[in-house]
Amino acid sequence: ILNVEQSPQSLHVQEGDSTNFTCSFPSSNFYALHWYRWETAKSPEALFVMTLNGDEKKKGRISATLNTKEGYSYLYIKGSQPEDSATYLCAPPWGGNTPLVFGKGTRLSVIA
Amino acid sequence: GAVVSQHPSRVICKSGTSVKIECRSLDFQATTMFWYRQFPKQSLMLMATSNEGSKATYEQGVEKDKFLINHASLTLSTLTVTSAHPEDSSFYICSARRTGAESYNSPLHFGNGTRLTVT
Repeated sequence: ILNVEQSPQSLHVQEGDSTNFTCSFPSSNFYALHWYRWETAKSPEALFVMTLNGDEKKKGRISATLNTKEGYSYLYIKGSQPEDSATYLCAPPWGGNTPLVFGKGTRLSVIA
Repeated sequence: GAVVSQHPSRVICKSGTSVKIECRSLDFQATTMFWYRQFPKQSLMLMATSNEGSKATYEQGVEKDKFLINHASLTLSTLTVTSAHPEDSSFYICSARRTGAESYNSPLHFGNGTRLTVT
């Protein structure tokens, strides 16, 4: 079973602050890493799927980097807004056409 | 696109009764759907992989006779919690990948989840 760790568990930032959090996963037998945003009362929404070491992806003010050799990914949010408040989940698949294994998530609260 | 509808969103039932949760892919076909469960302050834990037209694959420790999964069409999977007990109270959420896009680098599309409370 894959061990996926996310830190911190929760984060409170002021509107306009930039922030980042971490996802750690086993570096051996890597296939891909998924990031999801999960807002309260909504369904998790896919943000990024990353596959290559050194990959960097961006979607608006949110970006993510990937280091497959050491087994971590960072998610960055620039100029946080209240609408960014959500739980951010990362998940590598076990491999091939397999389900995703989720971390506990980082709960972000952006205070106006 | 890629909308998954899950119903009901919330259900309260008495101990010993059964509850059925539906997961529908509204605008795409899904040969494979996944059922997850989340306990408070825990991560989403995979319960089973639902395969259209065949038996579901259950994860270790998940009782297949208690959590019945049926995936009778390319757009519908159901999870039935049989003879529910208070310890089955949890948040259940389904997800799906588009048929033809089942590889590890294809995102999952999630329902909104079902909060089950067994009294």
